[in-house]
Amino acid sequence: IAGITQAPTSQILAAGRRMTLRCTQDMRHNAMYWYRQDLGLGLRLIHYSNTAGTTGKGEVPDGYSVSRANTDDFPLTLASAVPSQTSVYFCASSDSDTMEQFFGPGTRLTVL
Amino acid sequence: GQNIDQPTEMTATEGAIVQINCTYQTSGFNGLFWYQQHAGEAPTFLSYNVLDGLEEKGRFSSFLSRSKGYSYLLLKELQMKDSASYLCAVKNGNYQLIWGAGTKLIIKP
Repeated sequence: IAGITQAPTSQILAAGRRMTLRCTQDMRHNAMYWYRQDLGLGLRLIHYSNTAGTTGKGEVPDGYSVSRANTDDFPLTLASAVPSQTSVYFCASSDSDTMEQFFGPGTRLTVL
Repeated sequence: GQNIDQPTEMTATEGAIVQINCTYQTSGFNGLFWYQQHAGEAPTFLSYNVLDGLEEKGRFSSFLSRSKGYSYLLLKELQMKDSASYLCAVKNGNYQLIWGAGTKLIIKP
């Protein structure tokens, strides 16, 4: 692995289903982030984690949950997907909260 | 509220110079970032300004005026591969990154 990986690349999901988006980084970065990107809007922070074992809510956390059991992995779970969660989801990491963020390739999620 | 404003779209000619502006209003300031995002790809880091002035990195330069809440990204000797969206983002007083919607730059031959 080099950098940040996300899985799946894309997914079509029925409303009401549970879905986990995976994110793994191998840079040993302390901080990790989940964003959603919608047309015409800036990246919006869903949840973040400043270090393993801690998580925090971002701008649009409702309907999403995260966990940070170790440094490398930061999965994002949609407990019961709704069509408004159709978006492109980016995972990112940084060495600290003052440094630039490195982004994964994104997951394109469609909820029908 | 907190907001980042940048033009939605700009067009420029290959070989020319273009300046993309960004104005911001945030609760506190801990630095401003510019990212480049090609269509269908992830954002990639371009520059970081925390003090007033100009930071130059090859064909790209970024300027910051904290008193005016203003930054610009200057791209010189434009190439077709520079066609992308350019995202301005500000770290506020809580070290949260607030993102602008991005400026789509179209380069014409």
